[in-house]
Amino acid sequence: DAKTTQPNSMESNEEEPVHLPCNHSTISGTDYIHWYRQLPSQGPEYVIHGLTSNVNNRMASLAIAEDRKSSTLILHRATLRDAAVYYCILRDDTGNQFYFGTGTSLTVIP
Amino acid sequence: DGGITQSPKYLFRKEGQNVTLSCEQNLNHDAMYWYRQDPGQGLRLIYYSQIVNDFQKGDIAEGYSVSREKKESFPLTVTSAQKNPTAFYLCASSKGRTRGTGELFFGEGSRLTVL
Repeated sequence: DAKTTQPNSMESNEEEPVHLPCNHSTISGTDYIHWYRQLPSQGPEYVIHGLTSNVNNRMASLAIAEDRKSSTLILHRATLRDAAVYYCILRDDTGNQFYFGTGTSLTVIP
Repeated sequence: DGGITQSPKYLFRKEGQNVTLSCEQNLNHDAMYWYRQDPGQGLRLIYYSQIVNDFQKGDIAEGYSVSREKKESFPLTVTSAQKNPTAFYLCASSKGRTRGTGELFFGEGSRLTVL
């Protein structure tokens, strides 16, 4: 089963860009890369997802390496509300499972 | 508003008792999931269901059981066989791999404490 690895924690200054890395060296050709974030005592919320090409939405950008073995979630201007645990996960297209990684706890410094 | 409703939000259980956590969705999603989260840890998959009357074990299914008799409901029973049931339980749903983006929608979670 494909799995992901992420740094345990990262810090960013408010209003600066943040790059959150994720490694998924065993990704299969049909796995989508999803990112979610979770605030304390709440369920995770969807941030962005992609397959091969870089993706942008109102919340963030997703940069996917050409070999798809890694990806980076980019928050263009961190705010205090972006402080959360960010999960990089792979969507198993054959079994419709979502495998969660360890997550990165992002601290935003005012 | 459409969404996922989990109940109860907090639950206390004595050792040896079974307890059932409710999960209801009105999003017309085919797939539903149960995850367990321990303090400071990520989410681990317990069970998932892609269609009514069918479900599959996840990574940590031992000591848990589920049913999927209706599309909108996916209750989880934590049995007495689960050795360490105290955790935060999250239910989620998605349109399924053949429809839409497959984005997961989560409920607010149920926190189970064994006394």
